Amino acid sequence: EAGVTQSPTHLIKTRGQQATLRCSPISGHTSVYWYQQALGLGLQFLLWYDEGEERNRGNFPPRFSGRQFPNYSSELNVNALELEDSALYLCASSFPEDNQPQHFGDGTRLSIL
Amino acid sequence: LAKTTQPISMDSYEGQEVNITCSHNNIATNDYITWYQQFPSQGPRFIIQGYKTKVTNEVASLFIPADRKSSTLSLPRVSLSDTAVYYCLVGDEVDTGRRALTFGSGTRLQVQP
Repeated sequence: EAGVTQSPTHLIKTRGQQATLRCSPISGHTSVYWYQQALGLGLQFLLWYDEGEERNRGNFPPRFSGRQFPNYSSELNVNALELEDSALYLCASSFPEDNQPQHFGDGTRLSIL
Repeated sequence: LAKTTQPISMDSYEGQEVNITCSHNNIATNDYITWYQQFPSQGPRFIIQGYKTKVTNEVASLFIPADRKSSTLSLPRVSLSDTAVYYCLVGDEVDTGRRALTFGSGTRLQVQP
């Protein structure tokens, strides 16, 4: 069974640019989650999508946005990139019911120059 | 709100059984206990989840006493590749309603040859 896949593995951008990160969930999972992990820091919850709808959002500015497609894959978009956006962005997926464990991909390393 | 306490670090040797205990005195009735493993620059990997008694899968066992105020992750016959950080998540760290996981400091397991 394929796990959660994320692309690209690495992404280099400059300040002010826009970045798009992609995630494919495990087959059968309808919920997708995005997290940010800055170097040396813990995971910060960004977004939760289920059945194409945004269900919850973490404490991030509106320039962080995303969407979920009918096939349950998801995109994270970050506009007006800032230096502090440099981090590992992790996507996770799960079945939609409560208490279902989240399964993570290996992330996209976003570097802002 | 549940708060977990784990040892900061543990050392072991290849072939030994490793037991990592997590304390969660304020666990709520509906809380599940979930363990993750994380290697540097990779996403957390789901290991096992349980509610009570004992759960076993192909990689680990989870022991939960009747009062559920602690849990023990058991890794049989560890190898060098088991060197990683192990996280125990319970209660608000799982935040079922918001689906926002919060990882604490975890236990850094070092396996020696």
